[in-house]
Amino acid sequence: DVKVTQSSRYLVKRTGEKVFLECVQDMDHENMFWYRQDPGLGLRLIYFSYDVKMKEKGDIPEGYSVSREKKERFSLILESASTNQTSMYLCASNVNGPQHFGDGTRLSIL
Amino acid sequence: AQRVTQPEKLLSVFKGAPVELKCNYSYSGSPELFWYVQYSRQRLQLLLRHISRESIKGFTADLNKGETSFHLKKPFAQEEDSAMYYCALSGLGNFNKFYFGSGTKLNVKP
Repeated sequence: DVKVTQSSRYLVKRTGEKVFLECVQDMDHENMFWYRQDPGLGLRLIYFSYDVKMKEKGDIPEGYSVSREKKERFSLILESASTNQTSMYLCASNVNGPQHFGDGTRLSIL
Repeated sequence: AQRVTQPEKLLSVFKGAPVELKCNYSYSGSPELFWYVQYSRQRLQLLLRHISRESIKGFTADLNKGETSFHLKKPFAQEEDSAMYYCALSGLGNFNKFYFGSGTKLNVKP
């Protein structure tokens, strides 16, 4: 069974901080994704990566960056956190089929 | 443009009643359609995909290319079906990009 692990379930940070969200998958998947999940808006893609050191912008990349130094790990970085980035963040991975999701990180920016 | 539309934010039914969660899509190529479910405090997980033509937990969904729809149906709803349901689309054989609907919250009343 595919395991996608996000480092924190809940995180509280302050405006202006640099925030790191980590995601690890154990199935050697090429593709990894970061989404925001907001009520009424569904899932919105922030960034995805199809290989180590490769990344592509999704629909809402502004204010975010990503890092993929190893195949199993995909990090989302909030360069300078703002209150409008308070949300649930979901990581997913796949290779040739459906995406598998982590438990999510509920991030609050105060 | 690629788009997935779930017109109902909330659907309330009584236990034992039939349920249909609507999903319409627009896609320029050949799509593959999925339904994902998220139970309270659990991760988003795959419920079914059109290419498998399976029935999972009593749910079925048929891809109607003429109407560009992929509605999710169950003849007799159970209380444990209460959850958030997302319809999703990717290109057939191309799983680098997924498009999610905004979700429908299903509430099954006793």
